[in-house]
Parts: sequence; C-alpha cells; structure tokens
Amino acid sequence: GDSVTQTEGQVTVSESKSLIINCTYSATSIAYPNLFWYVRYPGEGLQLLLKVITAGQKGSSRGFEATYNKETTSFHLQKASVQESDSAVYYCALSDRTGFASALTFGSGTKVIVLP
Amino acid sequence: EAAVTQSPRSKVAVTGGKVTLSCHQTNNHDYMYWYRQDTGHGLRLIHYSYVADSTEKGDIPDGYKASRPSQENFSLILELASLSQTAVYFCASMGPEVFFGKGTRLTVV
Repeated sequence: GDSVTQTEGQVTVSESKSLIINCTYSATSIAYPNLFWYVRYPGEGLQLLLKVITAGQKGSSRGFEATYNKETTSFHLQKASVQESDSAVYYCALSDRTGFASALTFGSGTKVIVLP
Repeated sequence: EAAVTQSPRSKVAVTGGKVTLSCHQTNNHDYMYWYRQDTGHGLRLIHYSYVADSTEKGDIPDGYKASRPSQENFSLILELASLSQTAVYFCASMGPEVFFGKGTRLTVV
C-alpha cells in the first residue's frame, strides 16, 4: 500500500532560523499521487498548509515551501525564517487521484518547537 | 464557515464499555472519515462514508463500527472498548478541500 515517511519526530529550532522537515513517500496505487502538508496547532484540528498535485511543481503558503520531487519521491517542507507561532505538528500526506475525496495517507508527524 | 465538530473532546472509558464518538459537519460534504492517531504513527483510516446510511471499512476497522444517519453526522462506535483503543480520534469531511475536527482524546482504562 501507499506510505509516507517522516524521519524526525521532533525538531527544535530558534526563532529566525531556517527549518526543513523531511518527507518521502511510496505510492503503489498510483504513479503520481497528490501531496499535502497539514499542520496542527495546539488545541486545533489539522489544517491544510499546502498541496501540490503536479510532479515537479512547488507549493507555498505562510512562508513555507515544498517541491514535489518524483525522482527522489520526496516532498520536504522548508521555511527560511521561522517564528514562535510556527510551533506545531506538521504532517505530510498523499492521496491518489481516483477522486478528490479519496482518503489521505499520513506520515507520523513532526513536532516543531520554535524557541524565542 | 466550513466546520467539523467532534464531541466529546476528551473521554475516559472503562475496558469493555461502549463508547460513541460523534462528528457533525456543516460543509455539505458527502464524504466523511474517521482516523485514529497513536504516538509515533500517522493518522490511520478506520471507517469512511460517502453517503448517508452507508459506511465503508478503512485500513484498521477491527473493533470499530460506524454510523452515518445523515449527511451531517458520522459516529464512531466502540462496542467493547479495549486498552489498545486509547488514542486521539479525528473526524474529517472532504469535498474539494478537507476539513478536520479538533480531535477526541480517548483513554481506555
């Protein structure tokens, strides 16, 4: 089946420093899945941060960027300068293209702690 | 504003007891999903539904039932709660965009 791997369970970074969260995927049901980053702030539900549905394209939102790399099957999330308000849990996810309502397959999440 | 509301937000249940988690959406979405999250794991799909009065099994349906009495409401039922079902549960509704509830923290003791 499909799978998403996030290797870092927790990342601690100082405010104004750069951040990268690694995500790799394996999609057996489809060659080019839709890729997503979701974020969960404390006490809130998951929110869509960004999505990319075309291989080779880059998505961006709230200063975060992620590029769909089909060669390395990766979708790493990056931000050049983090703020304390970026402290949250970030989830990489994929879905197939059988319909916009197909279920999501999630990574295990990366908790980001931004120190003031 | 699109919304998915879960209740309760937190619950402690006794082993062998019955637990019902509720989810209500105001997004007019046909698709609704129940996921569970355990520490160190991503969200895993338990059950989903694409129309009222019909539910489908997800990847980890054992020990769970689901009920979709209306488009707006989707419940997850644990007939005999077990310690292994301690987790955080998320409900979602899907249309062109996905909306998640804030989660229900279930502790089975």
